[in-house]
Amino acid sequence: AQSVTQPDIHITVSEGASLELRCNYSYGATPYLFWYVQSPGQGLQLLLKYFSGDTLVQGIKGFEAEFKRSQSSFNLRKPSVHWSDAAEYFCAVGVRGQKVTFGTGTKLQVIP
Amino acid sequence: DTGVSQDPRHKITKRGQNVTFRCDPISEHNRLYWYRQTLGQGPEFLTYFQNEAQLEKSRLLSDRFSAERPKGSFSTLEIQRTEQGDSAMYLCASTRLAGGITQETQYFGPGTRLLVL
Repeated sequence: AQSVTQPDIHITVSEGASLELRCNYSYGATPYLFWYVQSPGQGLQLLLKYFSGDTLVQGIKGFEAEFKRSQSSFNLRKPSVHWSDAAEYFCAVGVRGQKVTFGTGTKLQVIP
Repeated sequence: DTGVSQDPRHKITKRGQNVTFRCDPISEHNRLYWYRQTLGQGPEFLTYFQNEAQLEKSRLLSDRFSAERPKGSFSTLEIQRTEQGDSAMYLCASTRLAGGITQETQYFGPGTRLLVL
């Protein structure tokens, strides 16, 4: 069975600083990988996804993520964080056509 | 494309009561998923449908839970004899299977937050 680990429960960054959220997955084959963002009391919004091909994927809101098979990682990055990026971020791994398994999330706080 | 919608957005009920939630997927999406999210956790898979067929159920889905998708469009999730431990956000997602290839990206609704007193 697939699993996802997000080792950072909370991260605080200053507005304008760079951001990297860590994600490690466990799955026997090539996974489908996702990053979702959730604002308080809201549903999940897809930021970006990796299925195959270029290991550096671009998403919405200036986010990008890099798939590293050797490290079983799919870290999310943003070069300059905005106050509106404060939210909870979930990494997820999918099995083709079936369920998605989520990590426990990383809460991002942005300080002015 | 109006997105995935869920109703109600919030539900407060007393322990032992039955509750039913509705999910309307994106119109051309034939796969529909239910997840449960408790505070401080990521969403956990409950069940999913392809058209009207329920293809997988998680062990989290006790016999008090039942889900249906009678016409392959909207879906309902019913919880009977609710318990305080059922308090959570219930999320619905949909995606499209076409020509044997699933689009894979699941689009989520806003969720129904359930509080059992």
